[in-house]
Amino acid sequence: DAGITQSPRHKVTETGTPVTLRCHQTENHRYMYWYRQDPGHGLRLIHYSYGVKDTDKGEVSDGYSVSRSKTEDFLLTLESATSSQTSVYFCAIRKTGGGETQYFGPGTRLLVL
Amino acid sequence: GIQVEQSPPDLILQEGANSTLRCNFSDSVNNLQWFHQNPWGQLINLFYIPSGTKQNGRLSATTVATERYSLLYISSSQTTDSGVYFCAVSTWETSGSRLTFGEGTQLTVNP
Repeated sequence: DAGITQSPRHKVTETGTPVTLRCHQTENHRYMYWYRQDPGHGLRLIHYSYGVKDTDKGEVSDGYSVSRSKTEDFLLTLESATSSQTSVYFCAIRKTGGGETQYFGPGTRLLVL
Repeated sequence: GIQVEQSPPDLILQEGANSTLRCNFSDSVNNLQWFHQNPWGQLINLFYIPSGTKQNGRLSATTVATERYSLLYISSSQTTDSGVYFCAVSTWETSGSRLTFGEGTQLTVNP
C-alpha cells in the first residue's frame, strides 16, 4: 500500500461535459502518473508529473490535461469528454528505494455516454 | 518506442500446477516490473527485476537483459493467483521512468 487514493471511484457522464479525476498520495513522492486501461491495450500512459507544476505528455495525451499544484495531488481533466475516453483510469507513484518501482491506486471507472 | 510482448495471452490451470509466463521486449531496458491485476482490478507490484533473479514465496522471476526477455514462474498455483499478469518496462532513453506495458497474460486457476 503506497497511500494512493483516487476519486471518484466511479463516474458516469455525458459526451461534451468536463470531467476531473483526482489522485492523492500521502508519502510525498516526486513522480506521479496517469494511465488508462482498455481491453486489448494493457495500460497506456496519459501524462506524468516530475514535481509541482512539472508535467509531461505520455503516449495517449490527446484530449487530456493535467495539473499538479501540490506534491500530494495530481489532477487529470477531460476538457470535453468523448465516448472514446470511456476507460478505467489508474494513478501511480514512483518509489526509488531499492529500484524505481511504480505503485498504483485503486482506479476510477469512467463511462461517457 | 519499445515493444513488449507477453505470452501466452491466456492460461488455464488446475490448482497445484506450475506455470511460466514470458515477456519479450525489443530494446535494452533499465526498468522491468511484473504486476498482478486481481479480479477486482487492483494492480499489485510483484517484482522490480531489470536483470537477474528474484523469489518471493511461490513466485519467482528471471530477467535475461542481454537476450531481452523475462520470465515469471508461479509454483503450486492457487485460485487466488487468478487475474492478469503484466510486464512493464522503461528504457534509458525514456524520461521520467515511463513504463510501457505488455497486453498481459490472463491466468485462471481452477479448484
